[in-house]
Amino acid sequence: DGGITQSPKYLFRKEGQNVTLSCEQNLNHDAMYWYRQDPGQGLRLIYYSQIVNDFQKGDIAEGYSVSREKKESFPLTVTSAQKNPTAFYLCASSRAGGGTDTQYFGPGTRLTVL
Amino acid sequence: QQQVKQSPQSLIVQKGGISIINCAYENTAFDYFPWYQQFPGKGPALLIAIRPDVSEKKEGRFTISFNKSAKQFSLHIMDSQPGDSATYFCAASMTGRRALTFGSGTRLQVQP
Repeated sequence: DGGITQSPKYLFRKEGQNVTLSCEQNLNHDAMYWYRQDPGQGLRLIYYSQIVNDFQKGDIAEGYSVSREKKESFPLTVTSAQKNPTAFYLCASSRAGGGTDTQYFGPGTRLTVL
Repeated sequence: QQQVKQSPQSLIVQKGGISIINCAYENTAFDYFPWYQQFPGKGPALLIAIRPDVSEKKEGRFTISFNKSAKQFSLHIMDSQPGDSATYFCAASMTGRRALTFGSGTRLQVQP
């Protein structure tokens, strides 16, 4: 099956801890993205990567970090510097970057800070 | 300039009725306008998309109407069904830009 997997589905974190969210795709897509979704708001871009070993900040990158060491993987770390990390996190990929290629989304990870 | 405004925030429609969701944008450089459908606890999935060289695109019961001069576009769901109950997001982007700019979403409930 081709697609995007995110793990875990639910994640609980204590204040002051860093956590890493996994995103893997087997679609052979070059571009990958991380979005944050809060109730009543649209998806907001955290980071994106158009090729391996390269990534750029999105609109709300503060308190987050990413890496892109492999084409199929784009993990997101939520650091203790993120003031309000409780949210639904969505990973996406597209054949190429540029915004006009169809983005395919994973099932999401719901992060709750206790 | 990058914002996409979506309305209404929520919508209740009877089975068989027409659901209409509207979006407006400011940046005239946008040239790609997709709609995404999201069911609870799932990631969004592309429903239908349009480029500004056409005023309407139809796929089954779903139609996008596009008004370039007004900088508005809308999603029409004909013969709405309970299975259409979901959150719908409009989005916009431009060739060469990094990613999509999403509207705030519309929660649609189709009553049987």
